Amino acid sequence: GQQLNQSPQSMFIQEGEDVSMNCTSSSIFNTWLWYKQDPGEGPVLLIALYKAGELTSNGRLTAQFGITRKDSFLNISASIPSDVGIYFCAGQLDNYGQNFVFGPGTRLSVLP
Amino acid sequence: GAGVSQTPSNKVTEKGKYVELRCDPISGHTALYWYRQSLGQGPEFLIYFQGTGAADDSGLPNDRFFAVRPEGSVSTLKIQRTERGDSAVYLCASSLRPGVLYGYTFGSGTRLTVV
Repeated sequence: GQQLNQSPQSMFIQEGEDVSMNCTSSSIFNTWLWYKQDPGEGPVLLIALYKAGELTSNGRLTAQFGITRKDSFLNISASIPSDVGIYFCAGQLDNYGQNFVFGPGTRLSVLP
Repeated sequence: GAGVSQTPSNKVTEKGKYVELRCDPISGHTALYWYRQSLGQGPEFLIYFQGTGAADDSGLPNDRFFAVRPEGSVSTLKIQRTERGDSAVYLCASSLRPGVLYGYTFGSGTRLTVV
C-alpha cells in the first residue's frame, strides 16, 4: 500500500528552539494534513494543505505542500512544553476518496 | 455532543471472542470514519460512512471486521473471532460533510487488547 515516511522519528529540543520535521512519499498526494496526538487522545488537526507550493501558518506552526506533491514539512517556532506529542502527516491520494494515509509520526520532546 | 465519543475506552477480550466498539459522532456530522492505530504507528484507515451507507470499506483487513451505522449517527465496529494481532487503538472520526474542508474530529479511541 501507499507509505509515508516521516523524519526525524523522534527529537529532543530545548524550550524556545525552532523545530522542523518532514514527510515524504513515493506517491503524489492532492491534500496534506498535519496532526498532533497527545497520549491517550485522538489526533488533532493542525494544518491542512490543498495546493502544491502552498505555505500555511497557524500561530507558531507553518507547513508547506511540496512542489512535487510528494512531500511536506512542518515547522514549529519558539517551542513550548505543550508542544510535546507525536506529529503525524497524512496524505489524501485523490479528491474523491475519503481515506487518508498517515505517516508513522515524529515524537517531539521539549526540555525546559 | 461536544466531541466524538467512543466506548468503551478500554476493552480486554480473549482470543476468539466477539467484540463491539461504539462511536458517537458529533451531532449533525454526516461523515464517519474508523481508523486503527497500532503501537508506534500512525492511524490506518478502515472504513468510511456517508450517512447510513459504507462509502468505502477498502481498509477493513478481512471479513472478521464489520461496521454499521443504521440510523446515520452512532456507528458500531464489530470484530469476530478476535486475534492477538487485532490489539490496537481503534479511532473514530466524524466531519460535517465529506472532505477535510469541513473538519475531521477524532475521538479518544478504544484500546482493544486481545489476550
